[in-house]
Amino acid sequence: DVKVTQSSRYLVKRTGEKVFLECVQDMDHENMFWYRQDPGLGLRLIYFSYDVKMKEKGDIPEGYSVSREKKERFSLILESASTNQTSMYLCASGGLAGGEEQYFGPGTRLTVT
Amino acid sequence: GQSLEQPSEVTAVEGAIVQINCTYQTSGFYGLSWYQQHDGGAPTFLSYNALDGLEETGRFSSFLSRSDSYGYLLLQELQMKDSASYFCALNRGSSASKIIFGSGTRLSIRP
Repeated sequence: DVKVTQSSRYLVKRTGEKVFLECVQDMDHENMFWYRQDPGLGLRLIYFSYDVKMKEKGDIPEGYSVSREKKERFSLILESASTNQTSMYLCASGGLAGGEEQYFGPGTRLTVT
Repeated sequence: GQSLEQPSEVTAVEGAIVQINCTYQTSGFYGLSWYQQHDGGAPTFLSYNALDGLEETGRFSSFLSRSDSYGYLLLQELQMKDSASYFCALNRGSSASKIIFGSGTRLSIRP
């Protein structure tokens, strides 16, 4: 059974804290993604990784960084959390260049106070 | 800019047929995908159109017309469990970092 897991479903952090969101996939996919989802804006791509230690910026990378040290794990890092980063964060894997299916994790709802 | 437009909400009756449209303003893209997301759940893949025309998968069908710059998702024999948000997604280039999503259509089914 295909699975993408995220380290937390809910997270509350204070402004200025460093935040780590972890994502693990068990499908041996090369591609992994981090999105944020906000009402009325849909899913917006933050970062994408196509191989270990390789990454590309998505549409809204500002304020975020990522780490891909192992194929199955893709981490999103908020160096200094701000209130405008309060959002639902979704990790996905798969989705090759042709538009093939992406498999999503359950999401992490992050609140920055 | 490059964007996808979807209606924000659609209401339909159980057992009926509903069409959710997706229009876009871009050129030279690879294909159009559709995802379903139930409240509190993760998006799940429904279909992908690389070519113009209709793709059918059970009760769901998806259509793409590049000349008209639009696509749609057609849901037949609606069931209450189809109440969810539906997103179209467009692949603008050879890299997966070029994928963009529409803002989603919330489908409500009435008995």
